[in-house]
Amino acid sequence: QVQLVQSGTEVQKPGATVKVSCKASGGTFGGTLRSNDISWVRQAPGQGLEWMGGMMPISGAPNNARKFHGRVTIIADESTVTSYMELRNLKSDDTAVYYCVRRRFTMIRGVTVPYFDYWGQGTLVTVSS
Amino acid sequence: QSVLTQPPSVSAAPGQKVTISCSGNSSNIGSNYVSWYQQVPGTAPKLLIYDTLKRPSSSGIPDRFSGTKSGTSATLGITGLQAGDEADYYCATWDSSLSTVLFGGGTKLTVL
Repeated sequence: QVQLVQSGTEVQKPGATVKVSCKASGGTFGGTLRSNDISWVRQAPGQGLEWMGGMMPISGAPNNARKFHGRVTIIADESTVTSYMELRNLKSDDTAVYYCVRRRFTMIRGVTVPYFDYWGQGTLVTVSS
Repeated sequence: QSVLTQPPSVSAAPGQKVTISCSGNSSNIGSNYVSWYQQVPGTAPKLLIYDTLKRPSSSGIPDRFSGTKSGTSATLGITGLQAGDEADYYCATWDSSLSTVLFGGGTKLTVL
């Protein structure tokens, strides 16, 4: 069974940088679990889910949501099967629970369509002065 | 405002059937597969449906949950409602124009 274990709660000030880790373990039915297969989703208090980014299937190229304007970097450490999500220049509306997710995908007419079959426990990041 | 539109809430009695819709456009639902997630408050979401209509075999999702799609809208169906089905439900898909994953705004299911 795949397990994704995230680092603990963070409290940061506006303008700071947060780095959340996600260590993957366990077998898969699709092959070797890779840190490149981990994406990140966040959820602000009382709000819905929001995809942040991850590595594209097959190419492994980074693909992050445009709304973050380059503030987010997702790094994969293959040696430890750990993904790191770094969010810079924090704002108060970045306060949220951040989830790492194992990204699978299906090809349809040449397009890779992702879905998320395992989720970490979530990391609460609070941004407050 | 989500690009994928879901009703904010639905409700039904135990044992009944409920459907949750997810409306998009030709760049997302109209041309790609849809996945659905269940989130019990205070817990991480769980994958219910992927590739529009498949249930993940590893997590024991019962066949009371089903997914369909028609044009630019997808639907999650839940039959034989149980108290434990009370949760928030989210649809998601890939948008080929935006090159991004989209989530719906979520639907709160209340079992009366």
